[in-house]
Parts: sequence; structure tokens; C-alpha cells
Amino acid sequence: ETGVTQSPTHLIKTRGQQVTLRCSSQSGHNTVSWYQQALGQGPQFIFQYYREEENGRGNFPPRFSGLQFPNYSSELNVNALELDDSALYLCASSSDSNQPQHFGDGTRLSIL
Amino acid sequence: EDQVTQSPEALRLQEGESSSLNCSYTVSGLRGLFWYRQDPGKGPEFLFTLYSAGEEKEKERLKATLTKKESFLHITAPKPEDSATYLCAVHPSQGGSEKLVFGKGTKLTVNP
Repeated sequence: ETGVTQSPTHLIKTRGQQVTLRCSSQSGHNTVSWYQQALGQGPQFIFQYYREEENGRGNFPPRFSGLQFPNYSSELNVNALELDDSALYLCASSSDSNQPQHFGDGTRLSIL
Repeated sequence: EDQVTQSPEALRLQEGESSSLNCSYTVSGLRGLFWYRQDPGKGPEFLFTLYSAGEEKEKERLKATLTKKESFLHITAPKPEDSATYLCAVHPSQGGSEKLVFGKGTKLTVNP
């Protein structure tokens, strides 16, 4: 059984640029959630996709957007990057609402 | 507002010295409480789900318990390989999405 995979593992961008992060969910999982984890903090919920539709959003501005594809893989897009966007971005997948979310190892994004 | 507080922030133990980590929560209805382990540079690894007060789960040297206001992660006779950050998260029943609200974690170091 393949777990959650994310790409790239590391990324360096400058302020104002745009970035796309990718996530392949675990086999059989139809729900994908994205989290932002700053250094020394717990993960913060960005949004969730269920069967290609957004299904809940945290306190993040509209420049954070996402997509889920028919194969349940997902993308996180961030426009107009700011220094505070530097963080570990985590993707998690689950099979239904009462099952635990399983996380990938994240993408480390650094903004210069 | 849903909130999770973990204590202590950091804990140093000698190998074999048992202890407990605390997770206090305030949530608008609890669908589930989750414990994760996170190693440096990795994503959170699922450990336990607890759904109702009085429930207990065990795995090797770890045991998780749940009351109406807090959860404990008991570590019995820890080994150096148990060193990691332990994250607690709640799944609120309100809101519709499957978001998890995380605490900041407890960084556990077990010395040989």
C-alpha cells in the first residue's frame, strides 16, 4: 500500500512569486487536506477537498487555493508569496470522516 | 473557538523512566481525538484515535487515555527511539469539514 507522497520536498522562492505543491493521496482515500506547519508549531488547517470539491477552509487568504483531481491527487497553489509563507506544507488523506488522516512528509517552502 | 494545549512543551527522560504527556482541549463537540508522532523533517505519523471519555488505546510502550477535557499519552519504560515530537489533535463536530485542530506538540527526548 503506497502512502501519501508530496513533491517537491524542498523549494526556494522569492517574495511575490507563485508556487504549486503536489500531493498523491494514499490508495483508496478520497479526501485530501492541506496544512501549514511553521517551525515549532502544530499544523494549521488550510483547506480540504472531498471528491474534487472544497469541503472546508481555515483562516487563510484567497491567495491560497487548491484543486483535487479525479484520481484524488491534489495541488496547493499559493500566489503573491510573502516571507511568512515560509513553512512545511503537509498533505493528509483519509478514506472517510471517521478514519484518521495519514500525512505525507511535506514540502519545505522557503521564501527569500 | 476550538483550542488544544499540550504540556509540557519539552520533556527529557532517562531510558526506562516512565512519564505522561498532557493534551487539554476546548472544542464545540468532539468527534475524535488523535495522537501523532513527528520525527524531524518528517510528516506526522498516526498513533491513536480516541472517540469517547473513558476510552483507552495501547501500542507497545504507549497508552492513550481520554476524559471530557483532556487526554494523556503515557510512556512506559521509554527507549531512545521514542524521542520525537508528539502532537495531539481534535476533530470538532461542528463545521462540516474534517479539519483537525492541533496543539503545538511536546518534544520528548529519551537519553540512553
